[in-house]
Amino acid sequence: RKEVEQDPGPFNVPEGATVAFNCTYSNSASQSFFWYRQDCRKEPKLLMSVYSSGNEDGRFTAQLNRASQYISLLIRDSKLSDSATYLCAPSQSGGSNYKLTFGKGTLLTVNP
Amino acid sequence: NAGVMQNPRHLVRRRGQEARLRCSPMKGHSHVYWYRQLPEEGLKFMVYLQKENIIDESGMPKERFSAEFPKEGPSILRIQQVVRGDSAAYFCASSRDRSSYNEQFFGPGTRLTVL
Repeated sequence: RKEVEQDPGPFNVPEGATVAFNCTYSNSASQSFFWYRQDCRKEPKLLMSVYSSGNEDGRFTAQLNRASQYISLLIRDSKLSDSATYLCAPSQSGGSNYKLTFGKGTLLTVNP
Repeated sequence: NAGVMQNPRHLVRRRGQEARLRCSPMKGHSHVYWYRQLPEEGLKFMVYLQKENIIDESGMPKERFSAEFPKEGPSILRIQQVVRGDSAAYFCASSRDRSSYNEQFFGPGTRLTVL
């Protein structure tokens, strides 16, 4: 099993739609989870941090399921500006908990 | 701009030359991480540094690659005798501390092209 797996997409949705991405991870001891968005050829930008069961920030909701080792990201009322690649990044465990392991990302295109 | 700064943004080198990539962390951050993103691949951890110390270089190739974060000045990732396979985007991130709850903020990256 890969350390971090994401559906590469692409997800093509109309403006205003709700879209959800899943990310599975193999390290059951990971404590912290991060969602980043990356626009084409730009740096990853931190979107959300998840330390317990979930987090919500405006139109974005992240939910963590430790038993099944997946984390999801839900985007409501999609905007054109949400078009990007979404990267899931669990931290490693123990003494290497500073180390993030990134998935390859899920590509989202929001269409007018 | 209080964000993470990297320079140069684009670097072209011929095979066998040296590449030096620089990173200044966000104000108030003393922990620096370097990641590499190959085309169509995810970001891969390379090295973690604090001022004057390399904490973890487990993701860095053993040969030709080195990193430092001196007491004064930016962190530097150095690649000697570059090869075509080194062509990638190199991102630097910084954080305030090293706990598992640390949030890492990324710089704009340096795109290295080896001819």
